[in-house]
Amino acid sequence: DTEVTQTPKHLVMGMTNKKSLKCEQHMGHRAMYWYKQKAKKPPELMFVYSYEKLSINESVPSRFSPECPNSSLLNLHLHALQPEDSALYLCASSQDTIGRTSSYEQYFGPGTRLTVT
Amino acid sequence: KQEVTQIPAALSVPEGENLVLNCSFTDSAIYNLQWFRQDPGKGLTSLLLIQSSQREQTSGRLNASLDKSSGRSTLYIAASQPGDSATYLCAPFGGNNRLAFGKGNQVVVIP
Repeated sequence: DTEVTQTPKHLVMGMTNKKSLKCEQHMGHRAMYWYKQKAKKPPELMFVYSYEKLSINESVPSRFSPECPNSSLLNLHLHALQPEDSALYLCASSQDTIGRTSSYEQYFGPGTRLTVT
Repeated sequence: KQEVTQIPAALSVPEGENLVLNCSFTDSAIYNLQWFRQDPGKGLTSLLLIQSSQREQTSGRLNASLDKSSGRSTLYIAASQPGDSATYLCAPFGGNNRLAFGKGNQVVVIP
């Protein structure tokens, strides 16, 4: 099973709301990622968790707050977002973050389409 | 910083033709390279992963080659079908532990 699941599929929120995106994988992967993708653009890396610890934060505004409660779950907490934050948010996982291992491969979820009004 | 270029940006082909999608990258110090497919509004589906020590990888009608020293990879799709219509993304993975994405090849296969 190479599935990464994300909920919700769609989310509409106001600029004063607090919401969370959820990502789950059961492949035993120890690295999980959040990406943001705007229309007609490639995905942009936001955060990387390795063994449940935040290892990369790509200077993302603090209104985005990631959390990794366990090795299978990844959350992205949203607060006081701006309309320009509207995008497709993608979660991914891989066995670990070391690319030279022979089994490294990133698997993506279907994404959450976020609209900020 | 790794720069990834995919050519052509968009192409339309009649059903049955072979597809050739090109990817070039500026930093050859990569561990591997992944090709993904993305349908509009959907997530990315991993198609092929080529390790830096490999020259090519095959899966069904798909074949990807890698020339690491010259910073190039090519994805071949044989006997294209309308269901192959999608955007294809090339992503080398380097020493900064990040995938670097190109802007994609947008493919339309005409029945």
